[in-house]
Amino acid sequence: DAGVIQSPRHEVTEMGQEVTLRCKPISGHDYLFWYRQTMMRGLELLIYFNNNVPIDDSGMPEDRFSAKMPNASFSTLKIQPSEPRDSAVYFCASSLRGQGIEGYTFGSGTRLTVV
Amino acid sequence: SQKIEQNSEALNIQEGKTATLTCNYTNYSPAYLQWYRQDPGRGPVFLLLIRENEKEKRKERLKVTFDTTLKQSLFHITASQPADSATYLCALPDHNQGGKLIFGQGTELSVKP
Repeated sequence: DAGVIQSPRHEVTEMGQEVTLRCKPISGHDYLFWYRQTMMRGLELLIYFNNNVPIDDSGMPEDRFSAKMPNASFSTLKIQPSEPRDSAVYFCASSLRGQGIEGYTFGSGTRLTVV
Repeated sequence: SQKIEQNSEALNIQEGKTATLTCNYTNYSPAYLQWYRQDPGRGPVFLLLIRENEKEKRKERLKVTFDTTLKQSLFHITASQPADSATYLCALPDHNQGGKLIFGQGTELSVKP
């Protein structure tokens, strides 16, 4: 398996623009997580899905953020409109059984810069 | 909710020595605790899981302890190598939502040759 695949690796956008981040989880994993990492706040969970259904989105900072998982092999995180404070590295992770007993597998992340 | 504390200062050690990293948590005691390694520009990589009823777990040069009384886990790398240089994060399940992990800020380890 190629692991969790995220795209793009880097994204630079202007304030106010829409940004879409993409994730392909490991085949067979039934949990998918979106995390954001900054120096100040570390890794923060934004939202997670189980069997394509959003379970907890309490970490989504504002209504400007939305996430979807239309099928088991694809998820998107959208920011509209983007703001400079959204600049961070966004990670997608997947796991088999959400308790994380077997550990999460993370993608390489998308480094987002909003100017 | 759970709060995790890891040494924010980088740990610098000489090659061949044992590195010891600390993870402290507050509030409830979790059913398990995990350790991850993160290299610059990469996502965290799962290393080890230790359950609440396990005092110690080993994997090659890695050893993890879990003291539920002290609310602390120690992560040891014996015979450290420059290739062990990375940031190490501990993670616990959130009490209210068992399906999600919360992460500490991580401790950066630098092993000098």
